[in-house]
Amino acid sequence: GDSVTQMEGPVTLSEEAFLTINCTYTATGYPSLFWYVQYPGEGLQLLLKATKADDKGSNKGFEATYRKETTSFHLEKGSVQVSDSAVYFCALTGGYQKVTFGIGTKLQVIP
Amino acid sequence: EPEVTQTPSHQVTQMGQEVILRCVPISNHLYFYWYRQILGQKVEFLVSFYNNEISEKSEIFDDQFSVERPDGSNFTLKIRSTKLEDSAMYFCASSERGTSLRETQYFGPGTRLLVL
Repeated sequence: GDSVTQMEGPVTLSEEAFLTINCTYTATGYPSLFWYVQYPGEGLQLLLKATKADDKGSNKGFEATYRKETTSFHLEKGSVQVSDSAVYFCALTGGYQKVTFGIGTKLQVIP
Repeated sequence: EPEVTQTPSHQVTQMGQEVILRCVPISNHLYFYWYRQILGQKVEFLVSFYNNEISEKSEIFDDQFSVERPDGSNFTLKIRSTKLEDSAMYFCASSERGTSLRETQYFGPGTRLLVL
């Protein structure tokens, strides 16, 4: 079945550092890929998405590129802020209606 | 921006009791979903619902669970006789359509259920 693997963290970075959160997936066919973010005390918010190979999703300075050859969708941001502290979930939709999530990576940015 | 809402935000119940978790999906959305996240584990799909019927469910969604759209705006998850292992965060989601891989599901803030 479909699955998503991402680094568990927690990841602790200083403000303005470069962020990479790795995500790889297994799916039949050609899934759509997503990053969701969960800020403390809040629900899951869509951060960005990509629906086909080589697409780049971007939002709020975050980017991720759909790499079919490496089955990856790594999340990057050039300069993190304290307000980016949250849990980040890599996810996909495959041949069924459900979203399949990774375990979530907790990011803590310190001033 | 339209959003999915859920009530209550927290619920504490005794083992064996029935609980109903409520959700108001985004108004023009036609597909509705429930997910749960046990503490420290992945967010897991429970069920999808369209046109007043369950369209897909996971193996977690056994006879203790049921879903309903009692009126034009609410979508509910009922757990008939709660067990300790039902303690989790429950997320409702909705999407405009459900048949396209490119469809995005929008999630609510969750209900944290604690079974004692």
